[in-house]
Amino acid sequence: KNEVEQSPQNLTAQEGEFITINCSYSVGISALHWLQQHPGGGIVSLFMLSSGKKKHGRLIATINIQEKHSSLHITASHPRDSAVYICALSMGGQGAQKLVFGQGTRLTINP
Amino acid sequence: NAGVMQNPRHLVRRRGQEARLRCSPMKGHSHVYWYRQLPEEGLKFMVYLQKENIIDESGMPKERFSAEFPKEGPSILRIQQVVRGDSAAYFCASSRQGDTEAFFGQGTRLTVV
Repeated sequence: KNEVEQSPQNLTAQEGEFITINCSYSVGISALHWLQQHPGGGIVSLFMLSSGKKKHGRLIATINIQEKHSSLHITASHPRDSAVYICALSMGGQGAQKLVFGQGTRLTINP
Repeated sequence: NAGVMQNPRHLVRRRGQEARLRCSPMKGHSHVYWYRQLPEEGLKFMVYLQKENIIDESGMPKERFSAEFPKEGPSILRIQQVVRGDSAAYFCASSRQGDTEAFFGQGTRLTVV
């Protein structure tokens, strides 16, 4: 079993819909990252969470440490949100960015 | 604000040639991490370096791959005698001492023909 699992793997929605991407993990972590990757593009860090909830614009990320689960929400989705969203775990200690990555969720927002 | 800079963005090599990928960390960052993304696969950790030291290379293939982060200049990921299976996107990230925030470069897309 992978240490980190994302669902769904693929998600297609209409512009304006509320989007939820889930991430479950099975190991102890010091932080959880949500990353965004556009096709052929670089990787952008959206959030780093160790507890609670963070919001940036239309993006909201939550984490439940006890349940080992995190969600990324996008409100009022837009075609430019189409990308792969990746959940990554930081185990902390030396080498805190030796990240363990989920397989990613490919999001397509249709106009 | 110069972020993590990787070059080249795209690199084409024939089988058997050497590939050198460069990563200049953000200003003030002394830790560099290299990751590989094979086609249709997720990202995987390769190596973690601090200035002049390899701290963790547990994700590096045992042969043909090496990495360095000299006192001056960028970090280099070197792949000798490339094979088709080395075709992938290679990303680096940098951080400050003890910082867990991830700052990624744009990646180098290596194609072996």
